[in-house]
Amino acid sequence: SQQGEEDPQALSIQEGENATMNCSYKTSINNLQWYRQNSGRGLVHLILIRSNEREKHSGRLRVTLDTSKKSSSLLITASRAADTASYFCAGANTGFQKLVFGTGTRLLVSP
Amino acid sequence: ETGVTQTPRHLVMGMTNKKSLKCEQHLGHNAMYWYKQSAKKPLELMFVYNFKEQTENNSVPSRFSPECPNSSHLFLHLHTLQPEDSALYLCASSQDMVSGANVLTFGAGSRLTVL
Repeated sequence: SQQGEEDPQALSIQEGENATMNCSYKTSINNLQWYRQNSGRGLVHLILIRSNEREKHSGRLRVTLDTSKKSSSLLITASRAADTASYFCAGANTGFQKLVFGTGTRLLVSP
Repeated sequence: ETGVTQTPRHLVMGMTNKKSLKCEQHLGHNAMYWYKQSAKKPLELMFVYNFKEQTENNSVPSRFSPECPNSSHLFLHLHTLQPEDSALYLCASSQDMVSGANVLTFGAGSRLTVL
């Protein structure tokens, strides 16, 4: 079953603006992770938030997790053209931790 | 570079060909994965190996055959593929499947086109 579903599918903003992407998942998770993918390349891990955490920061990234709503959000502040990429969330199931990804949010940051 | 190397980066093959994708990791990880990425679809987990043992075969057709000779190498053998198998095939590795958070390190992918 699909464990991560991102929203919106595409987002277009100007440099300097903030970008917010949302993720919903279906079953209980041990942790939720966000990854970034530049066009035609592999995914790169950005940040992990555990099921007992509500918010986490890393540089310009802020991730929230609401386990009661089975949702997470990724906020990129003061975006740059280099942030243009696809962003994926993935929930790790409890027990044998298998990551299941969604279809991603395509972010375009214009100079 | 991420420490996970995939070759070839691009592959074009006919439906009757036999080819292989190779993945090598230099991170000392014990779990390795094959994912398939097609346009407008979620990343599909195909196979998982943990300490060289296959732990997941996600209903993948038999025309895809994985091989994990050791914890550092993973192959995906391809034969009699269909055009709908054209996709980006991503290899990933992680420390293992059960110790704490399972953070994946991905290779750059192998872009496969089946004619």
